[in-house]
Amino acid sequence: KNEVEQSPQNLTAQEGEFITINCSYSVGISALHWLQQHPGGGIVSLFMLSSGKKKHGRLIATINIQEKHSSLHITASHPRDSAVYICAAPKYSGGGADGLTFGKGTHLIIQP
Amino acid sequence: GAVVSQHPSWVICKSGTSVKIECRSLDFQATTMFWYRQFPKQSLMLMATSNEGSKATYEQGVEKDKFLINHASLTLSTLTVTSAHPEDSSFYICSEGGNTEAFFGQGTRLTVV
Repeated sequence: KNEVEQSPQNLTAQEGEFITINCSYSVGISALHWLQQHPGGGIVSLFMLSSGKKKHGRLIATINIQEKHSSLHITASHPRDSAVYICAAPKYSGGGADGLTFGKGTHLIIQP
Repeated sequence: GAVVSQHPSWVICKSGTSVKIECRSLDFQATTMFWYRQFPKQSLMLMATSNEGSKATYEQGVEKDKFLINHASLTLSTLTVTSAHPEDSSFYICSEGGNTEAFFGQGTRLTVV
């Protein structure tokens, strides 16, 4: 079974700051997910990546397969970025249909 | 991306009753759906894998007789919480995808009183 560790658990920053959230996992995987959860519970998939780097607007996700580590960066952070960010990986990594195991999430607050 | 519609978004029920949560894939055929739950201030946890036309696979510690999963068609998976207890109060959410891009339903907040 895969274990996912995420840090920090809580992060408060000022608007405009560069944000980094880190994730490590224990078992080699085919893909890692970064998710955003809003206060009502709804979950949005931000990235799925298996190598290198992906960028979407002000969000950047990187992954190092050898080190089993991924980071999510937010550039020019804004109060609307305030949410819980969750890292997730396939639970069993055995290929095929595989449910996810999740980090504990990072509760991000961006202050104006 | 794919759209997964989950209903209801919230429900309050009395102890001992059953509650059914539906998860529909609107624009694709899902042979597999995943059901998760999240207790307050905890991370999401995989409960079971729903397989179209066959029995669901439950995670360790999840009672299959209490959490009935039906995946009778390629567009609908249901989770029924039977004989609900207050400790079943939680946020339940379905998704399609794990090794592929994951698409989540809106989630259901269940409160058992």
